[in-house]
Formats: sequence, structure tokens, C-alpha cells
Amino acid sequence: EPEVTQTPSHQVTQMGQEVILRCVPISNHLYFYWYRQILGQKVEFLVSFYNNEISEKSEIFDDQFSVERPDGSNFTLKIRSTKLEDSAMYFCASSSTRGRSEKLFFGSGTQLSVL
Amino acid sequence: GNSVTQMEGPVTLSEEAFLTINCTYTATGYPSLFWYVQYPGEGLQLLLKATKADDKGSNKGFEATYRKETTSFHLEKGSVQVSDSAVYFCALSDLGGNEKLTFGTGTRLTIIP
Repeated sequence: EPEVTQTPSHQVTQMGQEVILRCVPISNHLYFYWYRQILGQKVEFLVSFYNNEISEKSEIFDDQFSVERPDGSNFTLKIRSTKLEDSAMYFCASSSTRGRSEKLFFGSGTQLSVL
Repeated sequence: GNSVTQMEGPVTLSEEAFLTINCTYTATGYPSLFWYVQYPGEGLQLLLKATKADDKGSNKGFEATYRKETTSFHLEKGSVQVSDSAVYFCALSDLGGNEKLTFGTGTRLTIIP
């Protein structure tokens, strides 16, 4: 079965540093998402992306966050100046269409630790 | 706003035991409801879903029924196996699809032989 690939699996960074989390969605998918889960809390929606622009974002997704699809295969999440509270598991997801019958495919996540 | 409340974990059961993981939700309109599973080292995978009231989603021996009157979508399995050990997430979408899922906190299930 096709899969969404995320790298690295674990990223450690210093507070204030920029970090880029990388995702390779399934090749024919058009809709891309980032979610995150802070330890012990709920998985939260961050942003959705379609046709090279953000289609929806949550309150968490402030000016410190950005997403990009720099080429035909990668989908990245950048945090410009990391804070301690950005420590979380970040999940990338993709789908080929929107609608009730479509499955969302998730990657295995990147565990970000901000020290 | 939307929210999902899930049974606190971790849950530990013996093989062949009956499993119930409770999930209740708050949403406007008519959400779609989902159970996702995350096996160790893997991504979240859709386990089953239901898109309208009284629908029953089922997969791999797991079942959940969309109960609008009790706003619940409890996950059940009659006889669990060691391979069912994973984290289970209840989720909803109120946009008619998979956009902007609202998740619960997840329930870690461990099955012992």
C-alpha cells in the first residue's frame, strides 16, 4: 500500500532555532495536511494545503509556521523560531480528493523536541 | 466548537478478551466519525468510519456504531489479539469528509498473551 513518508523521525533543536519538517505525500494526492500531538494531549489540526496555497489553518498556525511544496514531491512545515511549547509529534497527511468516502493517509510522524 | 472525548488509557487486556473503548463527541450538524489506529513505529491508519446516524463501521473484527442520541461512537471487538496492541484514536469531521479532523487524546491498548 502506498505510504506517506516523514523525515526525520526525531528532531532535537534549541529554542529559537528554525526547523523544517519534511514529508513526501503519496504521489497522486492533491490535498496535504499537518497535524500535531503534544504529549498527553489531543491530536490537533494545524493546516491544510491545496493547489499551492493554504486552504485552512488553525489558531495554532501563527506567523511562526509556514508550509511549502517546493517541488512535485515534498511538503514541508517550517517553524521559524521554535519555542518549548512546540515540542510535539507532527503528523503529515495527504488525500487524493475531499469527500466522505476518501481516506486520509498519515505518515508515522516526526517527534520534535525543543530544548 | 467540536470536541471528542475518549476513554482514558492505557488499557491492558488478556488475549481473547472483549474490548470496548468509549468515545463521545460534541459537534454541530452531522459529523462523520472515525477510528484511527497507530501501530508502533507506523502512521495513523483509518480503522473504520461511519458517516450518518445508526451506521456501523467495521474492519478487522472491530465495530463501532454511530449513535446520534447518545453522541457516541464506541469501539468494540469481541476477541482481541496481541497484534491489536496499538494506540486508538476517535475522530470526527464536520465538513463532510476528512478535512480538519478533530481527534481525541488516543487510548493505548496492550494485549498480553
